[in-house]
Amino acid sequence: AQSVTQPDIHITVSEGASLELRCNYSYGATPYLFWYVQSPGQGLQLLLKYFSGDTLVQGIKGFEAEFKRSQSSFNLRKPSVHWSDAAEYFCAVGARGTASKLTFGTGTRLQVTL
Amino acid sequence: GAGVSQTPSNKVTEKGKYVELRCDPISGHTALYWYRQSLGQGPEFLIYFQGTGAADDSGLPNDRFFAVRPEGSVSTLKIQRTERGDSAVYLCASSSRGGDTEAFFGQGTRLTVV
Repeated sequence: AQSVTQPDIHITVSEGASLELRCNYSYGATPYLFWYVQSPGQGLQLLLKYFSGDTLVQGIKGFEAEFKRSQSSFNLRKPSVHWSDAAEYFCAVGARGTASKLTFGTGTRLQVTL
Repeated sequence: GAGVSQTPSNKVTEKGKYVELRCDPISGHTALYWYRQSLGQGPEFLIYFQGTGAADDSGLPNDRFFAVRPEGSVSTLKIQRTERGDSAVYLCASSSRGGDTEAFFGQGTRLTVV
């Protein structure tokens, strides 16, 4: 069975600082990997996804993530955080052929201080 | 429509009552998913429809939960004899044809069982 671990429940960064959110997954083969963002009262919005190819994936809003097979990780990064980035971030894994049937992590809440 | 629409946005019901939650997917999307998000957790898969049929209902927690999609568009998640533990946000997502296509999420229905 596939699983996702997001070890940081809550992270606080200053506006303009860099950000890295951690995600580790467990899956028997090469998975499909996703990062979603959820703002209060909003639905989940896809930031980026990895299916195959280049292991450094660019997403929306200036986010990127790197797939590292040897570490079973898919960490999300942003070089300079904006106050509007404050939200809950979820990493998710999907199996090939059923990528939309996702297993989510428990999320990391990002707080941005001015 | 422009996005996935879920109604109602909030539902409060008494323990033991029956509830129905509605999902209108993006027009033309054949795949539809239901997820449940409990407080402080990531979304958990409930059921996946491809067209009118439930292709995977392995996430339904017990037989009090049932979902239909009679015409391959709108779906209704039905919960009988609600329990306080059913309180959660119920998310619906749709994708153009399932498989490895991207899923788009609605804003969810917050169900509170008192």
